[in-house]
Amino acid sequence: EAQVTQNPRYLITVTGKKLTVTCSQNMNHEYMSWYRQDPGLGLRQIYYSMNVEVTDKGDVPEGYKVSRKEKRNFPLILESPSPNQTSLYFCASSLAPRDTFHYNEQFFGPGTRLTVL
Amino acid sequence: ILNVEQSPQSLHVQEGDSTNFTCSFPSSNFYALHWYRWETAKSPEALFVMTLNGDEKKKGRISATLNTKEGYSYLYIKGSQPEDSATYLCASHIYGQNFVFGPGTRLSVLP
Repeated sequence: EAQVTQNPRYLITVTGKKLTVTCSQNMNHEYMSWYRQDPGLGLRQIYYSMNVEVTDKGDVPEGYKVSRKEKRNFPLILESPSPNQTSLYFCASSLAPRDTFHYNEQFFGPGTRLTVL
Repeated sequence: ILNVEQSPQSLHVQEGDSTNFTCSFPSSNFYALHWYRWETAKSPEALFVMTLNGDEKKKGRISATLNTKEGYSYLYIKGSQPEDSATYLCASHIYGQNFVFGPGTRLSVLP
């Protein structure tokens, strides 16, 4: 089944304790992206990647890191989480042949609800 | 950061009513406009990707139109059903920037 998976789905942690949220897709998509969803705001893009070893900042990258060592995986790393990073996080992927990602629908993972105390 | 706005913020309709809502986006350097449907406790799912001015797309009872010159898109639902209850998100991609999502329109269809 074609899908985007995220782990963990739920996480409660404390300020300063490094964590990684994994994202994996089995559709051979070039483009992958991380978003956060906060009440009253739309999905805001954190980082995106057009292909392996290519990553770029989105609109809210502060406090996050990503890597794209393999096409299928795009982990989100919080080196020192803070309470303002409590949010619902979505990973998404889409086809992007010749950088046409904006013309292709994005497929979203199930979401990770993170609480930082 | 460009602004994508959606209205109304929320909407309650009776089963069988038809409804529509709006997505507004900056019209310069436009690339594409995406509509997504997001049911509670699920992930957003794509409805339409629209790129051309005057584009009109349809999927069952749901359709969308696009005006890139004035920067708006309408989503229409004909004969709303309770299973249409969801938040409808639009996202715009402008040249040189990232995808920007609107805050969504939350639709509740009452049986």
